[in-house]
Amino acid sequence: DTGVSQDPRHKITKRGQNVTFRCDPISEHNRLYWYRQTLGQGPEFLTYFQNEAQLEKSRLLSDRFSAERPKGSFSTLEIQRTEQGDSAMYLCASSLVIGTGGQFFGPGTRLTVL
Amino acid sequence: GQQLNQSPQSMFIQEGEDVSMNCTSSSIFNTWLWYKQEPGEGPVLLIALYKAGELTSNGRLTAQFGITRKDSFLNISASIPSDVGIYFCAGHVGGSSNTGKLIFGQGTTLQVKP
Repeated sequence: DTGVSQDPRHKITKRGQNVTFRCDPISEHNRLYWYRQTLGQGPEFLTYFQNEAQLEKSRLLSDRFSAERPKGSFSTLEIQRTEQGDSAMYLCASSLVIGTGGQFFGPGTRLTVL
Repeated sequence: GQQLNQSPQSMFIQEGEDVSMNCTSSSIFNTWLWYKQEPGEGPVLLIALYKAGELTSNGRLTAQFGITRKDSFLNISASIPSDVGIYFCAGHVGGSSNTGKLIFGQGTTLQVKP
């Protein structure tokens, strides 16, 4: 399967703990995006990378959130000191640089903060 | 901020019927995308539209990019049970903005009765 993959698919954690999610994009895609989706809503943009450079961050990405893409391939999203309001589906997507917006999504990581 | 208004919010139809849903925005987008999402999975790209007035088909699905660049619609012909899911429209500003952000609608939940 050459699509976008995410790990883990589900994560249950206690409030205050740190969590890290991983995303592996489609191999030839230079751009990688993170979105957050809560129940009954469409995905909301968090941040994106072009190769290893983080080019844009949403105001939704508080100081407790950090994303990296150190070698321009896979990416990690870390949430520190999790809060119950962080419970959501975290989606990763990738696309070509020369494209007109078509982003391909992974299956997501469902985070539940108790 | 930018918002997309998607309608209807939900539809319950008989197998074999045609379906139409649309998305409107107060701002201009240079790309319109339509995704389908099933429970517990990430959105799957159905159709991408890159030019105002463009009409594109993908099997039983047809989508159009509105002339004003502020709206788009998706039609599904002869619906079948596997069409069940949540359909999202998404807009991308593109152009010189260099933003990677997709703006999503709230989704249309489609249920098909066999």
